[in-house]
Amino acid sequence: GQQLNQSPQSMFIQEGEDVSMNCTSSSIFNTWLWYKQDPGEGPVLLIALYKAGELTSNGRLTAQFGITRKDSFLNISASIPSDVGIYFCAGQSGNTPLVFGKGTRLSVIA
Amino acid sequence: GAVVSQHPSWVICKSGTSVKIECRSLDFQATTMFWYRQFPKQSLMLMATSNEGSKATYEQGVEKDKFLINHASLTLSTLTVTSAHPEDSSFYICSARSGTGHYGYTFGSGTRLTVV
Repeated sequence: GQQLNQSPQSMFIQEGEDVSMNCTSSSIFNTWLWYKQDPGEGPVLLIALYKAGELTSNGRLTAQFGITRKDSFLNISASIPSDVGIYFCAGQSGNTPLVFGKGTRLSVIA
Repeated sequence: GAVVSQHPSWVICKSGTSVKIECRSLDFQATTMFWYRQFPKQSLMLMATSNEGSKATYEQGVEKDKFLINHASLTLSTLTVTSAHPEDSSFYICSARSGTGHYGYTFGSGTRLTVV
């Protein structure tokens, strides 16, 4: 099925550093979502974006819905060890199922 | 908030047997549920969409006779992997939605299926 282009695929960072990851699509979406998945668990919603240009924060996380509606980014500030996991972007239009990116695997070195 | 309970969390079965995975919405009515499959280090791939009281819609390449989906009530959907083979070993995740739009896309905790 359709997938989003998510980058980077993986990141190794030092604790305290900021992180940035993004997703792009050839299709327009009405909603962008960012999820985090821990090993052996289902994804958990971090941030939901509903309008082009929207910038939303959730604690140390900030995400933006691109103006073109074809991209979004997620920033994590001052990373901590518990930020380790796989981050997925997901796009949605109308009532269609979510389309997922391939994920960004984040490792934090204490 | 919305909670989706998925059971079992892991299961090991012999080749040729069938396995049923349950997905329940605990505090909301899920008009639509989704079943995903995830291979190691890969993204979630949608297998099928099920609407309460109607037949599931399967994605291209997913065998509907092998992956039986039943969504008999607004709080329960089941996925049965029939005549399982080792290549069916994977992580299966359900997601439930209440209403329209993105709101209520809550995921279960997943089921690790190993077929030996």
